[in-house]
Amino acid sequence: DQQVKQNSPSLSVQEGRISILNCDYTNSMFDYFLWYKKYPAEGPTFLISISSIKDKNEDGRFTVFLNKSAKHLSLHIVPSQPGDSAVYFCAARLPSGGGADGLTFGKGTHLIIQP
Amino acid sequence: DTGVSQNPRHKITKRGQNVTFRCDPISEHNRLYWYRQTLGQGPEFLTYFQNEAQLEKSRLLSDRFSAERPKGSFSTLEIQRTEQGDSAMYLCASSRGQGPSPLHFGNGTRLTVT
Repeated sequence: DQQVKQNSPSLSVQEGRISILNCDYTNSMFDYFLWYKKYPAEGPTFLISISSIKDKNEDGRFTVFLNKSAKHLSLHIVPSQPGDSAVYFCAARLPSGGGADGLTFGKGTHLIIQP
Repeated sequence: DTGVSQNPRHKITKRGQNVTFRCDPISEHNRLYWYRQTLGQGPEFLTYFQNEAQLEKSRLLSDRFSAERPKGSFSTLEIQRTEQGDSAMYLCASSRGQGPSPLHFGNGTRLTVT
């Protein structure tokens, strides 16, 4: 059973426009959510995170929105740039001390920025 | 900036052989994690350490897998009697471990079992 789902395997966006990547989760106990970016032959790179007590977190061109009632989060990138082309992973974590301290990842969305 | 370092980057081995991977975390991080990633999937949690103590192991970690972090610094992941299904990218990550903090990943070791 997949607890973190990224239903779009790929997304194509024109340079300069907004990219919106979506993620759904099933475990309401998750309290910390992260987005990672991955280039080929490299490890995932941390982008931005959000605690479950917030509904929005912003860092430069990246904004993460969390809708706890819908168990949904999204990553907005604006404006999209060619260097943003990568695979984006959504990840979630249970509260510390409760075991299962590792992150649970989605399968990723391949974002392609077209010139 | 010394990030998480993993060695080797690539390993090709024959079925039945043993392999060992090494991970050097960011120096001030006391938590260290091992993940495995196969094609088209996200990273899957294998195990993690708080300093030298191995606090959790996923059911994905069969008896053929063992991880150590003897002095609370670098860690090794050993796979005994490798099988073709072990072919994957093995990722190491570290974090500060105080409150919610992001994991920082290395570039992984790609294992191919022939």
